[in-house]
Amino acid sequence: AQRVTQPEKLLSVFKGAPVELKCNYSYSGSPELFWYVQYSRQRLQLLLRHISRESIKGFTADLNKGETSFHLKKPFAQEEDSAMYYCAFPTSGTYKYIFGTGTRLKVLA
Amino acid sequence: KAGVTQTPRYLIKTRGQQVTLSCSPISGHRSVSWYQQTPGQGLQFLFEYFSETQRNKGNFPGRFSGRQFSNSRSEMNVSTLELGDSALYLCASSLLLGNEKLFFGSGTQLSVL
Repeated sequence: AQRVTQPEKLLSVFKGAPVELKCNYSYSGSPELFWYVQYSRQRLQLLLRHISRESIKGFTADLNKGETSFHLKKPFAQEEDSAMYYCAFPTSGTYKYIFGTGTRLKVLA
Repeated sequence: KAGVTQTPRYLIKTRGQQVTLSCSPISGHRSVSWYQQTPGQGLQFLFEYFSETQRNKGNFPGRFSGRQFSNSRSEMNVSTLELGDSALYLCASSLLLGNEKLFFGSGTQLSVL
């Protein structure tokens, strides 16, 4: 079954600490993976996508095909990073996006 | 450019009623998809439209339907509402199909009493 698993519902870290939000996927092919973020009272928006290999707001994510993972990382968390994060991929041939259940990141002062 | 616009922002209905939600995509975007967002399930795919054609449908009952107009605006309809339909319904648009960045609206918060 095609699935995205985000095992942590809530992740709390202190400001300046490293952060890693986990994402594992189940898919028979090679998916194009995305991270979307929803800040308080804002719309869900794209944070980064695998294919562009950009670093957005200090976040990076590496696709590990062997472990079927696409974990989101940042070396030094900031308070403004507090938000809901979703990992997702579109299933090829159907144009349907599969989203994980999300991880709420709280960065404590 | 104006973003994705969803109306209404809030809706309160009772069981058995029907509801229609509206979505206007970003100008020039031809793909519109709908998602149901709940705290426990995250985002669940409902359906996607491109050039007025439904390209794919998620695992929702037939009470959930939608359509897309020639100007790419889309509507979603839920008939015979149930308490479990209470959720935030998000619309997203993209320029093309598949592997494309999604631009989301603010959503319509539906409460079924």
